[in-house]
Amino acid sequence: KQEVTQIPAALSVPEGENLVLNCSFTDSAIYNLQWFRQDPGKGLTSLLLIQSSQREQTSGRLNASLDKSSGRSTLYIAASQPGDSATYLCAVPVFSGGYNKLIFGAGTRLAVHP
Amino acid sequence: DGGITQSPKYLFRKEGQNVTLSCEQNLNHDAMYWYRQDPGQGLRLIYYSQIVNDFQKGDIAEGYSVSREKKESFPLTVTSAQKNPTAFYLCASSPTQGSTEAFFGQGTRLTVV
Repeated sequence: KQEVTQIPAALSVPEGENLVLNCSFTDSAIYNLQWFRQDPGKGLTSLLLIQSSQREQTSGRLNASLDKSSGRSTLYIAASQPGDSATYLCAVPVFSGGYNKLIFGAGTRLAVHP
Repeated sequence: DGGITQSPKYLFRKEGQNVTLSCEQNLNHDAMYWYRQDPGQGLRLIYYSQIVNDFQKGDIAEGYSVSREKKESFPLTVTSAQKNPTAFYLCASSPTQGSTEAFFGQGTRLTVV
């Protein structure tokens, strides 16, 4: 059974720091991995989707890496800003009975203070 | 504007009431999903639908019901059988049933009063 864990659960950093969020999964046979951002009381916004054949995916100040063999992905945020404050979730798809669903981690709540 | 619209944003339910959460998408996506989010936990799948007039139970379907009469609409009813309905509910869609990339609505916060 696929399980997704995110560490740390919460993180508080001063503005300008580079930071790393971690996501681990128990079954390494994944199709892809998706990182989302969630602002308080809002829905999820997709940030990056990294295919199983890829090692990295970049979008602006965000860089996601994937190491399937070790069951890990990291989201690197460069030069953090107060506007980056949000909860970040990772998810992997699981295929079962002809359909797919996403298995989510509990998220990392990030606070970037000026 | 293409996207997924959930309404209402906030909903209050009395004990014993059924309530219906709306989810509409204009992305022409085939697959639609309902997830539940509780504090400190990941999202959990309630129901999903891969095509009109078809839907399947997810991991926590007890106390919930859905319908998919139109491609763009996938309403969720929280029935009185759901003993702990207070949560944040998120609707999502994917282009096809095989696609794993999901797009989410803004959510509905349901509170039992």
